Amino acid sequence: SQTIHQWPATLVQPVGSPLSLECTVEGTSNPNLYWYRQAAGRGLQLLFYSVGIGQISSEVPQNLSASRPQDRQFILSSKKLLLSDSGFYLCAWSKQSGGYTFGSGTRLTVV
Amino acid sequence: QKEVEQNSGPLSVPEGAIASLNCTYSDRGSQSFFWYRQYSGKSPELIMFIYSNGDKEDGRFTAQLNKASQYVSLLIRDSQPSDSATYLCAVNMGSGGSYIPTFGRGTSLIVHP
Repeated sequence: SQTIHQWPATLVQPVGSPLSLECTVEGTSNPNLYWYRQAAGRGLQLLFYSVGIGQISSEVPQNLSASRPQDRQFILSSKKLLLSDSGFYLCAWSKQSGGYTFGSGTRLTVV
Repeated sequence: QKEVEQNSGPLSVPEGAIASLNCTYSDRGSQSFFWYRQYSGKSPELIMFIYSNGDKEDGRFTAQLNKASQYVSLLIRDSQPSDSATYLCAVNMGSGGSYIPTFGRGTSLIVHP
């Protein structure tokens, strides 16, 4: 069966510090991978998606970036965090036009 | 701008009643539709998907799709307090094999005993 792992679960970082969130998927190959952010009381905002290694599409201009160094690994990064980067970050995977399975999420607080 | 719209609620129903959640979408070419349940502080979990016009039933849940009117709904029969959560509607928008998942902001459902 397929599983998705996301870590860390919670993170408190000072403004201006770097960020690296990692997501891995097991039990499938060549999944579509996504990074979402959910601000408090808000909907899910698609940040990045990837249909293959090294292929990253950005939906929202910001100080975040994403990379896919391996087929089942997706990384979200920032060189300098802003207060507005606080939120609940979710990684998800899907196959073609199917449904999306989410990781357990990372709650990021920038202070 | 491709959008998915949901009433934010909260929708409050008594235990045992039918809860009806609605969603409209802007992209007429959308092909795949999903309902997710999200408990507070947790990640969304898929509960229903529907691809064709009409009804699809799974236990206490029924998804309804009307592509001509561009709406999709979720009915929860015999609502239980454990159904209290935010329900997110998601639509795969795009064409030619390239689909972008777009989520509504969610409807908060409260089932009171």
